[in-house]
Amino acid sequence: SQQGEEDPQALSIQEGENATMNCSYKTSINNLQWYRQNSGRGLVHLILIRSNEREKHSGRLRVTLDTSKKSSSLLITASRAADTASYFCATDAQDYKLSFGAGTTVTVRA
Amino acid sequence: DGGITQSPKYLFRKEGQNVTLSCEQNLNHDAMYWYRQDPGQGLRLIYYSQIVNDFQKGDIAEGYSVSREKKESFPLTVTSAQKNPTAFYLCASSPVQARSYNEQFFGPGTRLTVL
Repeated sequence: SQQGEEDPQALSIQEGENATMNCSYKTSINNLQWYRQNSGRGLVHLILIRSNEREKHSGRLRVTLDTSKKSSSLLITASRAADTASYFCATDAQDYKLSFGAGTTVTVRA
Repeated sequence: DGGITQSPKYLFRKEGQNVTLSCEQNLNHDAMYWYRQDPGQGLRLIYYSQIVNDFQKGDIAEGYSVSREKKESFPLTVTSAQKNPTAFYLCASSPVQARSYNEQFFGPGTRLTVL
């Protein structure tokens, strides 16, 4: 079953702009992860935020987590054409499993 | 190079045939996973294995089978019982040092098409 739901489903921005996408989930979690998938490829892990953390940065990525609202956001600053991809949030479940959302497709226009 | 390999990249199957998708990792990870991805959708878990010679059903195991005879290998068989097997199949692995921190490493995927 899919616990995470990303919003929006698709996002188109100009190069240099920021991109923000959100993830909502239903049950309590230990951590939340974000992954990127280029078209027709496997997923690449971007960042993991633990349930006791509120914000985390990695390069041009900023992730927030609000456990009271059961939501997370991923911000990509100063976007580049290479950021064009689908982005998925994943929440941990029991027994080492992850539950993935349907993803946000980001298109960065030159 | 350490990583996960999947083969073949593209696979075509006739209806009624079983096919096996290969997944190999040299990351020394204990856990391995198989996911199915349909167009515009997220990943759905088919099977997973935390240790050699043991595996568990995921959310959509019907019509699929797996084996885990070696730590490095986790092949997936799509049987003729799977009614709609055309999809993109992704294999992943993760270390099992800490229960909660299970970043997964993905292979490049196999695109299966039923003719």
